[in-house]
Amino acid sequence: GQQLNQSPQSMFIQEGEDVSMNCTSSSIFNTWLWYKQDPGEGPVLLIALYKAGELTSNGRLTAQFGITRKDSFLNISASIPSDVGIYFCAGQPFPGAGGTSYGKLTFGQGTILTVHP
Amino acid sequence: NAGVTQTPKFRVLKTGQSMTLLCAQDMNHEYMYWYRQDPGMGLRLIHYSVGEGTTAKGEVPDGYNVSRLKKQNFLLGLESAAPSQTSVYFCASSYLAYGYTFGSGTRLTVV
Repeated sequence: GQQLNQSPQSMFIQEGEDVSMNCTSSSIFNTWLWYKQDPGEGPVLLIALYKAGELTSNGRLTAQFGITRKDSFLNISASIPSDVGIYFCAGQPFPGAGGTSYGKLTFGQGTILTVHP
Repeated sequence: NAGVTQTPKFRVLKTGQSMTLLCAQDMNHEYMYWYRQDPGMGLRLIHYSVGEGTTAKGEVPDGYNVSRLKKQNFLLGLESAAPSQTSVYFCASSYLAYGYTFGSGTRLTVV
């Protein structure tokens, strides 16, 4: 099946620093999404990207959909303690890809972010 | 609050026991999914459903069964639990293919 490689696996940063993480795939995707998971909770959608080359911001978060459709990155500026958690990238195949693939997300392994006050 | 509700939140099973995890959503979503989360593995799709009465296998379906008898409910069954099924299980639902909403998870330990 499709594989997403997410890096780094973990990050330890000081409050106020910027953070960058990325995902690469061997296959192209129709949509890239970024989720955050707080401890003991399910993932929550942060940003969705629908067009190759698209750059989207949500507050201190900025994400880009790679021009090749095979990669995406997420930046967090001026980190704060509540940014702690696991960040997942996810790719969504094109409609009609593999028949019933539509709607199914493939997730990266996650980036564990720790922010020291 | 509207969303996805998973029950139970925690469970300990002995090897060979069976159990059913329940997922309920009140957003009238057509699509529902069951994922398992293991350290360093991300979220892996077990089974999914694109509508009431339909189910399909995901990436890691072995040892699990599912049913979607009602649109709002998606059940995940373990017929004979094994230690390898110790994991955190997440249910999600979505409108068409956009914006999954996840439940808060079920932490299952098989001893």
